[in-house]
Order: sequence, then structure tokens, then C-alpha cells
Amino acid sequence: TQLLEQSPQFLSIQEGENLTVYCNSSSVFSSLQWYRQEPGEGPVLLVTVVTGGEVKKLKRLTFQFGDARKDSSLHITAAQPGDTGLYLCAGANNLFFGTGTRLTVIP
Amino acid sequence: ETGVTQTPRHLVMGMTNKKSLKCEQHLGHNAMYWYKQSAKKPLELMFVYNFKEQTENNSVPSRFSPECPNSSHLFLHLHTLQPEDSALYLCASSLHNEKLFFGSGTQLSVL
Repeated sequence: TQLLEQSPQFLSIQEGENLTVYCNSSSVFSSLQWYRQEPGEGPVLLVTVVTGGEVKKLKRLTFQFGDARKDSSLHITAAQPGDTGLYLCAGANNLFFGTGTRLTVIP
Repeated sequence: ETGVTQTPRHLVMGMTNKKSLKCEQHLGHNAMYWYKQSAKKPLELMFVYNFKEQTENNSVPSRFSPECPNSSHLFLHLHTLQPEDSALYLCASSLHNEKLFFGSGTQLSVL
């Protein structure tokens, strides 16, 4: 089993703060996906990272894939209440999902 | 609206009931998936179908029976479930196993 561990499990911050969440594994992945899931809805894909060391930006969100392709991070700058949700990483073509980070941004 | 529709949104059933979950996609995708999302556990892949053929069965108990009559429709037939099967069941589709599009899920409660 290719386990993906995410940290922190829960995160509550004030609007305007910056934050980073992590996705770690002992396995190497050819790609990793990041999803955000809002209450009552299914996950929505944010980004796919493929190359070791790759950095992708999506507005205030910055995604990085580790050089060894075993880990990834998501950094959010100036968090907004609309960023609230469950952030999930997935690997091996979506066969394995991480444990998730539940983010709450307080207005 | 993701293009993947799941019904019903909520379902309460007894352990002796038989029910079915339905998923439909209008995206022209070739692959469809069932996932189980329980509290405090990672999203678990249950089944994958590619061009109507089952390509993945992740050691799912036989009380869950999938059916994929065509590339646009996917069912999950449920019978003699246990309370621990209560969860959010998510359907997804993709084109050639790339980006997943999820439905809103069926919140299942087994009494």
C-alpha cells in the first residue's frame, strides 16, 4: 500500500495569514494531484505535479513536488474564507489519497 | 456542476435492505470510479471501470456489487450492509485515467 500522509490534519487561521500543508510518502510517485473538497461536494482537482522539483502556481496557491517525487507541499498566501475546505493529495493516478488537511479560514 | 451526477444525495437503509446508487456522466469519459469516504480515513478506491470493463476491485466485500452498463452510467448495488458501511460514496469519471471529475456523493447511513 502506498500511504500518503498529510499534515497538519486540521488548521484554523485568520484571513490574510499564510499557510503551508504537506503531503508525504515513503513511495515514489510519477505524479501527484491536489484536490479541494467543500462540505457536501466531491473533491475538485486543483493541480497535477509531475516533475521532481516542479513548482506550480494557481493564483495565491503554490504547489511544489519534492525532488525525489515522494512529497509535495501546498502554500497559500493571504488566505481567504473561500479557501476553507478539505485539501487532499493523491498519487498513482488517483489510486491512493492522503488523509487530508481540513482548513478553516476565519474572517 | 462537474458533469457527474449522483443519486440519491442521501440514503438511509436498514441492514436487510437492498438499494442502488446511481452515477451518470455527460463528459464523454471512458473511465468511471467508486470511492468510499469515511470520517477520519483516507478516500478509498473501491472499483474502476474502463470502457465498461472492471479494471480494479480493491478487495471490496461482496455486499457491494458494481454495474457499468455503458461508459456513461455506473451503479453500486448494496445488500445486507453493516453500520460501518455508513459513509459518503463518491463517483468519479476521467478520460484515460487523467484528471478526475467527482460527483457530489451519496451520504449513506446504515441503521
